[in-house]
Amino acid sequence: DIQMTQSPSSLSASVGDRVTITCQASQDISYYLNWYQQKPGKAPKLLIYDASNLETGAPSRFSGSGSGTDFTFTISSLQPEDIATYYCQQYENLPYTFGQGTKLEIK
Amino acid sequence: EGHLVESGGGLVKPGGSLRLSCAASGFNFRTYTMNWVRQAPGKGLEWVSSISATSRDISYADSVKGRFTISRDNAKNSLYLQMDSLRAEDTAVYYCARVGVPLAVAGNFDFWGQGTLVTVSS
Repeated sequence: DIQMTQSPSSLSASVGDRVTITCQASQDISYYLNWYQQKPGKAPKLLIYDASNLETGAPSRFSGSGSGTDFTFTISSLQPEDIATYYCQQYENLPYTFGQGTKLEIK
Repeated sequence: EGHLVESGGGLVKPGGSLRLSCAASGFNFRTYTMNWVRQAPGKGLEWVSSISATSRDISYADSVKGRFTISRDNAKNSLYLQMDSLRAEDTAVYYCARVGVPLAVAGNFDFWGQGTLVTVSS
């Protein structure tokens, strides 16, 4: 199975800060990497697909980059409504696997 | 816009069975691969199973293989997960999720249901 390692596991930042989360795959997954946001008690929501494509309707402050084994998710200017847990997910190989999540809090 | 609604969760004893359903609306269900993803209390996301649009391609996580069966009824716009020989570690919220590209077997999960809680306990 492909292991997805996210860091950090938790993050505290101030409104307006630039926030970066990384995700490393245990083997080359090309660009087959998605990012999801999950708020407490809610279903995950797709934000970025295929490493760098912004999902329709997602705010433009969210972005993604990377390919191969190393990926980055960025919030350019943190907003209060961005408080959530963020997950990366690979779909290059079955079983599809998720990172362990990054819990984002407001400082 | 698509909408997914899960049902069928509840409390079941270890070794018991449960059948989850996911009702789809607002999109052409029969052209999309569908998945089940679960989340144990306070834990991360775990992919469980996938079924292609025509049911030709079916996959399972090793943790449920041989115990869970995914199926779909395109005439009823519905996805199912038959869960047998349930264990305490199957306790989770179960989500159905759509692969975002028509006829693609794999891809991003662009629509998710609200989830249904399965609790396995004596």
